[in-house]
Amino acid sequence: EVQLVESGGGLVQPGGSLRLSCAASGLTFSSYWMTWVRQAPGKGLQWVANIKSDGIEKHYVDSVKGRFTISRDNAKNSLYLQMNSLRAEDTAVYYCARGGYTYAYWGQGTLVTVSS
Amino acid sequence: QSALTQPASVSGSPGQSITISCIGTSSDVGGYNSVSWYQQYPGKVPKLMISGVTDRPSGVPDRFSGSKSGNTASLTISGLQAEDEADYYCGSYTSTSTGVFGGGTKVTVL
Repeated sequence: EVQLVESGGGLVQPGGSLRLSCAASGLTFSSYWMTWVRQAPGKGLQWVANIKSDGIEKHYVDSVKGRFTISRDNAKNSLYLQMNSLRAEDTAVYYCARGGYTYAYWGQGTLVTVSS
Repeated sequence: QSALTQPASVSGSPGQSITISCIGTSSDVGGYNSVSWYQQYPGKVPKLMISGVTDRPSGVPDRFSGSKSGNTASLTISGLQAEDEADYYCGSYTSTSTGVFGGGTKVTVL
């Protein structure tokens, strides 16, 4: 059974940083693109970033470029999202998902709240 | 990286058919056979309902079907049931190797 478990969310002040993690099990993690998707409270899904299976190729939505960094450790079956210079509009549930642009498996999400 | 365009809401009576549209551009929906559809209940994780425009994953009822014409993709729910009341999102690959979602459509079963 594929399991994706996010962690690292919480309350952070504007301008602060957080690092999200996604622990994967039940799949050959190193074979898949992985993606972060977020959902602001009461809003729709927003694609954030993805990373190729080997960790070399990465893509970001314009609104997070230069502030967020996606990475992975295939030896640890883990995906990460380093979020810097956080803004109120980054407040959302952040999901990790298997795949580059089609997502059959999602984690339960971790809530990030940016507020003073 | 503009979001795909979906109607905010669609409704239908039990047993009826409804269609949700997803309008993109030639750089996303129209350019690739990579449209997917997701169902999300309030407070729950999205569930993949359709991939590759028309493919239904195992376990998804066959009353859900997908199609595409030009820059517009569609999700049709035939024989609408009460349990189909949820939010639905389309998604697509884009020419910049990113993904993009639609704004979401709330389906109401009358």
